[in-house]
Amino acid sequence: EAGVVQSPRYKIIEKKQPVAFWCNPISGHNTLYWYRQNLGQGPELLIRYENEEAVDDSQLPKDRFSAERLKGVDSTLKIQPAELGDSAVYLCASSPNIPDRAGETQYFGPGTRLLVL
Amino acid sequence: LAKTTQPISMDSYEGQEVNITCSHNNIATNDYITWYQQFPSQGPRFIIQGYKTKVTNEVASLFIPADRKSSTLSLPRVSLSDTAVYYCLVGDIRGNTGKLIFGQGTTLQVKP
Repeated sequence: EAGVVQSPRYKIIEKKQPVAFWCNPISGHNTLYWYRQNLGQGPELLIRYENEEAVDDSQLPKDRFSAERLKGVDSTLKIQPAELGDSAVYLCASSPNIPDRAGETQYFGPGTRLLVL
Repeated sequence: LAKTTQPISMDSYEGQEVNITCSHNNIATNDYITWYQQFPSQGPRFIIQGYKTKVTNEVASLFIPADRKSSTLSLPRVSLSDTAVYYCLVGDIRGNTGKLIFGQGTTLQVKP
């Protein structure tokens, strides 16, 4: 079974430029999450989708960040314009409606490492 | 959501058993305890989850005392490839509310 796919893996941009990250969740997973992970810190949730609906975006900086999941499958996270402090790893995760036998609730992708110069 | 406290870092040698303890004094009745592992340049990966007593799978054991205010992740006979960051999370997974709160984690360094 394919895992969560993210692209690009790395991105270097200059400040004030726009950038977008793409995520394809595990097939059949209705819930999709975007996290941001700063160096030396644990991931922090930015937004959570249930199908097409964003059910928790309280931590998303809405002045410059936006996200969409138009058909309830793939998702895109955008930053416009990017700032130096946005340099981080952006992780996408997905989960099934019911935790699996072991109780695993979220499956993470490899992340996109963003560097803003 | 219960706050967790775990050591920032730990060192060990190959072949040793490693125990990482996490404190969660205000754990709620419906909360489960979950551990994730993260290697550099990868997303976190689920290791083990439990509610009380002891849980064991093919990679680790999780010990939870009766008061559930702490838990210990046990990694038997670690190898160099177990060098990673380990996160302890506490929350109610029922209904998949999706709120995973990660702390700083414990950086485990396994030496030859």
